[in-house]
Amino acid sequence: EPEVTQTPSHQVTQMGQEVILRCVPISNHLYFYWYRQILGQKVEFLVSFYNNEISEKSEIFDDQFSVERPDGSNFTLKIRSTKLEDSAMYFCASRADTDTQYFGPGTRLTVL
Amino acid sequence: AQSVSQHNHHVILSEAASLELGCNYSYGGTVNLFWYVQYPGQHLQLLLKYFSGDPLVKGIKGFEAEFIKSKFSFNLRKPSVQWSDTAEYFCAVNEGGATNKLIFGTGTLLAVQP
Repeated sequence: EPEVTQTPSHQVTQMGQEVILRCVPISNHLYFYWYRQILGQKVEFLVSFYNNEISEKSEIFDDQFSVERPDGSNFTLKIRSTKLEDSAMYFCASRADTDTQYFGPGTRLTVL
Repeated sequence: AQSVSQHNHHVILSEAASLELGCNYSYGGTVNLFWYVQYPGQHLQLLLKYFSGDPLVKGIKGFEAEFIKSKFSFNLRKPSVQWSDTAEYFCAVNEGGATNKLIFGTGTLLAVQP
């Protein structure tokens, strides 16, 4: 069964550094998402992406964040200058035309 | 704005006990409802979903959920839990439309004791 994959599984970085989190959505899916879960808190929507552009973003998704689908298979989330409060689990999800989103295993980002 | 409430944050049960996890949402329009499960060290997996039709939906692994529109609820049930059901359970809603973003509850951590 096809799955969403994410790399790396764990990323440790220094405050102020740039990080890129990578996701490979399910191949025939058209809609892509990033969510995050700060330890002990709920899963929060960050951004949705369709037809090579952002379709919706949350208040969390400020100018430090960007998304890209550089090559038709990968879907990346970049944080330009990480802050301590960016430490969280980041989940990628994708869906086809149905309403069901399929999630990847997540990337745990630790900002020191 | 939509919100989702899961009132049980941590539930401990013995094997064979019955399970009911509460989920309430606040939104007056048409919603799609989901329960996701996250087993230890694994990713979020879809347990079941409700879009329309029969308000009692059956999912994988013997789980079911009932949509009660008048109560804005979508409670998850299982008649007899197993140790392997130990996981975190998330209720989520979306209102459909272009983006279909999911709004999650805080999750319920279920521990099943053998």
